[in-house]
Amino acid sequence: DAKTTQPPSMDCAEGRAANLPCNHSTISGNEYVYWYRQIHSQGPQYIIHGLKNNETNEMASLIITEDRKSSTLILPHATLRDTAVYYCIVRVGSGNAGNMLTFGGGTRLMVKP
Amino acid sequence: KAGVTQTPRYLIKTRGQQVTLSCSPISGHRSVSWYQQTPGQGLQFLFEYFSETQRNKGNFPGRFSGRQFSNSRSEMNVSTLELGDSALYLCASSLFGTRGTDTQYFGPGTRLTVL
Repeated sequence: DAKTTQPPSMDCAEGRAANLPCNHSTISGNEYVYWYRQIHSQGPQYIIHGLKNNETNEMASLIITEDRKSSTLILPHATLRDTAVYYCIVRVGSGNAGNMLTFGGGTRLMVKP
Repeated sequence: KAGVTQTPRYLIKTRGQQVTLSCSPISGHRSVSWYQQTPGQGLQFLFEYFSETQRNKGNFPGRFSGRQFSNSRSEMNVSTLELGDSALYLCASSLFGTRGTDTQYFGPGTRLTVL
């Protein structure tokens, strides 16, 4: 899997949008970008994933640059409950190796009142 | 639909003992993966099972093993426990795990403490 780079920590004011960047400059054409978050000592929670188009669901939006070398996870109206470590993961698009997720250090997002 | 469940949630063992952790995947999911999370090493892939066969394996010693049953439930075993095995052990399930869109969903984890 391609390596990802994320800032170790970020702050966000409650009610504002949280924009979490991820660099994956060595991503291959068939690799997907996945985002998970982990609230203290709980299991990682799936947020969203995408290949090359921007994606949106009830939790967040994922913006992938045209060259696919970076992406941004957007939480439109951050709440205190969004305080967590956010992981950006690149995974292969097919084959048996697809489930070997490689987690980096992630970004520790602190939402402040 | 119920999520991934793991039992027990907390476990305390002493060095040299062995331990078995259990994971029940989401109904219909056939792939089960295991991860270890420690403060020093972060989240690391242990192994994956599909159709009762180990399909992928991470870089862990042979003391770490697992198996999957015909109903897709999985167990992992750690023998001759060491202090460094203290960790949060996470199980994740997905439908087949062979497509980029095949999302893995994680359980709450089992917190193992080795004394």
